[in-house]
Amino acid sequence: NAGVTQTPKFRVLKTGQSMTLLCAQDMNHEYMYWYRQDPGMGLRLIHYSVGEGTTAKGEVPDGYNVSRLKKQNFLLGLESAAPSQTSVYFCASTPGPFRGYTFGSGTRLTVV
Amino acid sequence: KNQVEQSPQSLIILEGKNCTLQCNYTVSPFSNLRWYKQDTGRGPVSLTIMTFSENTKSNGRYTATLDADTKQSSLHITASQLSDSASYICVVSSYSGGGADGLTFGKGTHLIIQP
Repeated sequence: NAGVTQTPKFRVLKTGQSMTLLCAQDMNHEYMYWYRQDPGMGLRLIHYSVGEGTTAKGEVPDGYNVSRLKKQNFLLGLESAAPSQTSVYFCASTPGPFRGYTFGSGTRLTVV
Repeated sequence: KNQVEQSPQSLIILEGKNCTLQCNYTVSPFSNLRWYKQDTGRGPVSLTIMTFSENTKSNGRYTATLDADTKQSSLHITASQLSDSASYICVVSSYSGGGADGLTFGKGTHLIIQP
């Protein structure tokens, strides 16, 4: 039982390049989330999904897009990367509200 | 604005000693409070979740307390081990319906256990 798997684990992008981060969970969870973690700050919600085919904006959605075509996968896209998007990105899933989250191990992204 | 403040920012203790981490919050409406452990280079792992009516919850050597009146929580670690070295994050939910849990994350307390 793998839990939440994020790929890739590390990536370096040049300003203006695009990329997609993949999150896959095998727990049949309905809710999935993308967070970013920056030094000296708490985790901040980028986008989330409450089920297959649904997405919604979180606290810091600008510059990111998401898709949830399959229940087990939640993709985070950067169309034109900027240095301000240098961060560690975490995906999380949960069966529903009031329940604990299972986090992936993170993707460390550097934009130069 | 919802806020979660944790103290201390960092803490160093000797292996075998006990310690207590603090969390103060101004989150409304309050739904639940969670403590997570985050090892370096890993994602956070849930330790406890407490609702308004719960004032203490344990998970092995970890015991969390909640005072909803003063909006304070603490995480007590008993007989610390080297593997307890990590960041401990307090998270408060203001879920009131809809999709997102309305989580507000603290910045964490960085705990180092020395042999």
